[in-house]
Amino acid sequence: QQQVKQSPQSLIVQKGGISIINCAYENTAFDYFPWYQQFPGKGPALLIAIRPDVSEKKEGRFTISFNKSAKQFSLHIMDSQPGDSATYFCAASRYGGATNKLIFGTGTLLAVQP
Amino acid sequence: SQTIHQWPATLVQPVGSPLSLECTVEGTSNPNLYWYRQAAGRGLQLLFYSVGIGQISSEVPQNLSASRPQDRQFILSSKKLLLSDSGFYLCAWSSPGDLNYGYTFGSGTRLTVV
Repeated sequence: QQQVKQSPQSLIVQKGGISIINCAYENTAFDYFPWYQQFPGKGPALLIAIRPDVSEKKEGRFTISFNKSAKQFSLHIMDSQPGDSATYFCAASRYGGATNKLIFGTGTLLAVQP
Repeated sequence: SQTIHQWPATLVQPVGSPLSLECTVEGTSNPNLYWYRQAAGRGLQLLFYSVGIGQISSEVPQNLSASRPQDRQFILSSKKLLLSDSGFYLCAWSSPGDLNYGYTFGSGTRLTVV
């Protein structure tokens, strides 16, 4: 029940295209769903996050879509750029819990070709 | 501003040798602290988390241990390294009960056990 399943494992997109990464969770107690971006040799950094009270959140070219009934959420990167090439992790947690434990997906390696 | 320091950046250790990785946080008090391991091509596995000095929770049984001797210091240790301990180790912190800013990760330690 603690797993977060992420797909695809890797993704190649042409510059200007749309990158889509999907995640599914099992624990209905999860109510905080962030996405992290990691460049090689660096620690992940928070990209965007969503709570279940909304179905979509947009920040610049990055959008999270959330489907509570299906227990799924996805990251859309519009107008993908070579600089977006990185590993992306989805995660889930119980917001406001004392431990703030984040359960991460297995990651998606995105390559944006110029 | 808050910063997190993790060292060393890279480490090559023989099998059976001890390990000590250190992580310190500046600019905040009473943070939640976490150790994650990232194996090559895989996701982020939570190893330990701590909500206060001397309070350590282990997520998976393993050859490693963690300690929190001071409020903003988190140490990952092993008495005898195994080949399977190789990986990218990441320390992170978050504000207790507040995920608005997510996790802040350190820059990681690349450990190779030979």
